[in-house]
Amino acid sequence: QSALTQPASVSGSPGQSITVSCTGTSSDVGGYNYVSWYQQHPDKAPKLMIYYVNNRPSGVSNRFSGSKSGNTASLTISGLQAEDEADYYCSSYTSSITYVFGTGTKVTVL
Amino acid sequence: QLQLQESGPGLVKPSETLSLTCTVSGGSINSYHWGWIRQPPGKGLEWIGTIYYSGSTYYNPSLKSRVTISVDTSKNQFSLEVSSVTAADTAVYYCARYSNSAGDYWGQGTLVTVSS
Repeated sequence: QSALTQPASVSGSPGQSITVSCTGTSSDVGGYNYVSWYQQHPDKAPKLMIYYVNNRPSGVSNRFSGSKSGNTASLTISGLQAEDEADYYCSSYTSSITYVFGTGTKVTVL
Repeated sequence: QLQLQESGPGLVKPSETLSLTCTVSGGSINSYHWGWIRQPPGKGLEWIGTIYYSGSTYYNPSLKSRVTISVDTSKNQFSLEVSSVTAADTAVYYCARYSNSAGDYWGQGTLVTVSS
């Protein structure tokens, strides 16, 4: 299975909104509403930010939101803050009853 | 609060078998899927596989021939074995609980280096 495609980097100024894309196929992202997003700070374990495309776990800021159109899912961070600077990974369930991660995106707060 | 902790050797010789255990505390391993994910140094996340508490397993096709995931409900633990390891298997290995098709609780990760 091939990794989902994400941009290598996205940047924005404090207070701005940014969007990270995650492109797959009809066998994963496009076929199921089982897309999740993870935030990973350096030398830390990933943290779940979004599940089922657009659901936030308890405790995750409402500045994080998710969406999907066709084979592409997106994570939007609004009101960008310095603490949001991290790597972000998407993940999707697949038709092979497996999961696949995205290539990862480094978000930089300018 | 649910906690997961990986344990096992930090150094494994090439061609040998990597073995790790994830101990779950603060909750029961019964119900939910439980998974292993790895991250080579400086690289992205790779899903290895998951196991249901009843024993059903699902593996990454690229690793399936070398990977075994098992569960011991009496010890509230699940384990990972990767056989015939090479330097390419050097990575931080994470265990995680899967709920709503996402990893909602993760261990801190453990670095496994493959070297002679």
